[in-house]
Amino acid sequence: EDKVVQSPLSLVVHEGDTVTLNCSYEVTNFRSLLWYKQEKKAPTFLFMLTSSGIEKKSGRLSSILDKKELSSILNITATQTGDSAIYLCAVDNYGGATNKLIFGTGTLLAVQP
Amino acid sequence: DVKVTQSSRYLVKRTGEKVFLECVQDMDHENMFWYRQDPGLGLRLIYFSYDVKMKEKGDIPEGYSVSREKKERFSLILESASTNQTSMYLCASSLRRLAGFNEQFFGPGTRLTVL
Repeated sequence: EDKVVQSPLSLVVHEGDTVTLNCSYEVTNFRSLLWYKQEKKAPTFLFMLTSSGIEKKSGRLSSILDKKELSSILNITATQTGDSAIYLCAVDNYGGATNKLIFGTGTLLAVQP
Repeated sequence: DVKVTQSSRYLVKRTGEKVFLECVQDMDHENMFWYRQDPGLGLRLIYFSYDVKMKEKGDIPEGYSVSREKKERFSLILESASTNQTSMYLCASSLRRLAGFNEQFFGPGTRLTVL
């Protein structure tokens, strides 16, 4: 069965800390891995990682795909209270006429002042 | 900017009522999706559609149906709402698969409570 597992389920840190969120996957036809950030509303897209683009960076956020280990990490440096959110990992399991994403359960990050 | 809108942010219904959740996207996307999100379970796919009048079951279709009569609109129907359908419902849309790019754009969600 295809699945995506995220860890930890939740995390509490203080402003200025660096955090690493993990995502591992087992899917039959991996195409890409996506990270989303969800505050109190719609998930918003952060990064997409593929075989040809295994590392992405945007400001204090960065992500790496390890195709050998079937996993990805999302790093956030110098955390701020505005980083508090649920971080979702999703994998595109290629096949069929449309692109379904398989989501993990998410990591709830709380950044305290 | 892609915009995905959902008809209600909060909805309270009674057990046995028929419930309609509407989703509209304005970017001419072929694919549309309905998920429910519950604590500890993440996003689970209920139904999706890759074209007008086309629909496919996701992972948890029981108790739900969908309708896609127009490209921009995808409706989720709870024929007879039950308390275990209390959840956050998220709609999403995406372009038909391009080479390796399949970002889904989400609506703000509808928090449904069934009493």
